[in-house]
Amino acid sequence: DTGVSQDPRHKITKRGQNVTFRCDPISEHNRLYWYRQTLGQGPEFLTYFQNEAQLEKSRLLSDRFSAERPKGSFSTLEIQRTEQGDSAMYLCASSVVPLVPRGDGYTFGSGTRLTVV
Amino acid sequence: KQEVTQIPAALSVPEGENLVLNCSFTDSAIYNLQWFRQDPGKGLTSLLLIQSSQREQTSGRLNASLDKSSGRSTLYIAASQPGDSATYLCAVRSYSGNTPLVFGKGTRLSVIA
Repeated sequence: DTGVSQDPRHKITKRGQNVTFRCDPISEHNRLYWYRQTLGQGPEFLTYFQNEAQLEKSRLLSDRFSAERPKGSFSTLEIQRTEQGDSAMYLCASSVVPLVPRGDGYTFGSGTRLTVV
Repeated sequence: KQEVTQIPAALSVPEGENLVLNCSFTDSAIYNLQWFRQDPGKGLTSLLLIQSSQREQTSGRLNASLDKSSGRSTLYIAASQPGDSATYLCAVRSYSGNTPLVFGKGTRLSVIA
């Protein structure tokens, strides 16, 4: 297991189409996070899972966005009826819980760059 | 609500200089602080993680310090190289442990050969 994997790396879609992204976390990590990053900004939190349970959703996550983590392994993020404002880098990260004294750092994937035209 | 600020937003230095990147956060009740590097169009690479009980962490030419009471962290890069050119992001995790990392907007560093 070499890290967090995201697929696809790039996605270009027409406005109004649905898109789905996949994230495969580090296998022993039970927490999985989705972030969105626009140009010149830091990543903004969208949602996170502990195992298969979705524990928190940001107000940034509109009704058009849905995330799942079936069986507590990989996760998918779906955007329905995409808008130009959805164009961004979508980042996935994973970490271990419970927190351990040696650290609870996040490991990020390479991201999926979404362009809505 | 935790807010993270990074200064400067951009920095250009000649190769070989030592430099300091600054990060401040509004709520000092943090669990840990993490510095990341991001190359253009890429994901985030973790550089250093400092627990709230620690004052600093070192990795090679990088040294990160934490002053929790004043809400500040610095990332020191010694003998900068062109390969250090990237955006450096600071992120904090609040003490509850169930809150996600909150990021600053980053400092874009250019090291000129």
